[in-house]
Amino acid sequence: AQSVTQLDSQVPVFEEAPVELRCNYSSSVSVYLFWYVQYPNQGLQLLLKYLSGSTLVKGINGFEAEFNKSQTSFHLRKPTVHISDTAEYFCAVSEHGSGNTGKLIFGQGTTLQVKP
Amino acid sequence: EADIYQTPRYLVIGTGKKITLECSQTMGHDKMYWYQQDPGMELHLIHYSYGVNSTEKGDLSSESTVSRIRTEHFPLTLESARPSHTSQYLCASSWGTGIYEQYFGPGTRLTVT
Repeated sequence: AQSVTQLDSQVPVFEEAPVELRCNYSSSVSVYLFWYVQYPNQGLQLLLKYLSGSTLVKGINGFEAEFNKSQTSFHLRKPTVHISDTAEYFCAVSEHGSGNTGKLIFGQGTTLQVKP
Repeated sequence: EADIYQTPRYLVIGTGKKITLECSQTMGHDKMYWYQQDPGMELHLIHYSYGVNSTEKGDLSSESTVSRIRTEHFPLTLESARPSHTSQYLCASSWGTGIYEQYFGPGTRLTVT
């Protein structure tokens, strides 16, 4: 069965520093990978997705992520964070051929706390 | 821009009351989902639908029920609310086959007293 592990529950970082949020998954088949962001009292917003092709994907708000098949990882990075990036970040996977359901499996979430 | 709406955004209700959380999308998506999320916690799928008149239970057992009689509407009902139902409920939708990007509504935060 597929699963997603976000290795850090909280990541504190100072403004304008770089950040990496880690995500590992397990699956016996090929997967699609997603990162979502959730601001307080809001729903989830898609940051970026990996479907196929280049393993480095760029998303909104200056975020990027790299798919590493051998390490089954999909870490999220940003070179310079801002106070406004403070939020909860979720990694999610969907298996190829997951039938008609389109189900996503989410990680536990990582709270990014950007300090001035 | 995703157009998926949830009402109410916040609800405080007494134990034993019947409640319905509304979710509507204007994108014509065939698949819709309900997630339960406790504060600071991961999302758990409680219901999903891949078309009109089709509903399935998700990975987390829930006492709630859903219906899908129109493509755009996927309400969730609790016949008798309990304090253990206090949580945030997120609705999402997606389209077609192959690529399962989901679009989320703003959520309903439910408190049962």
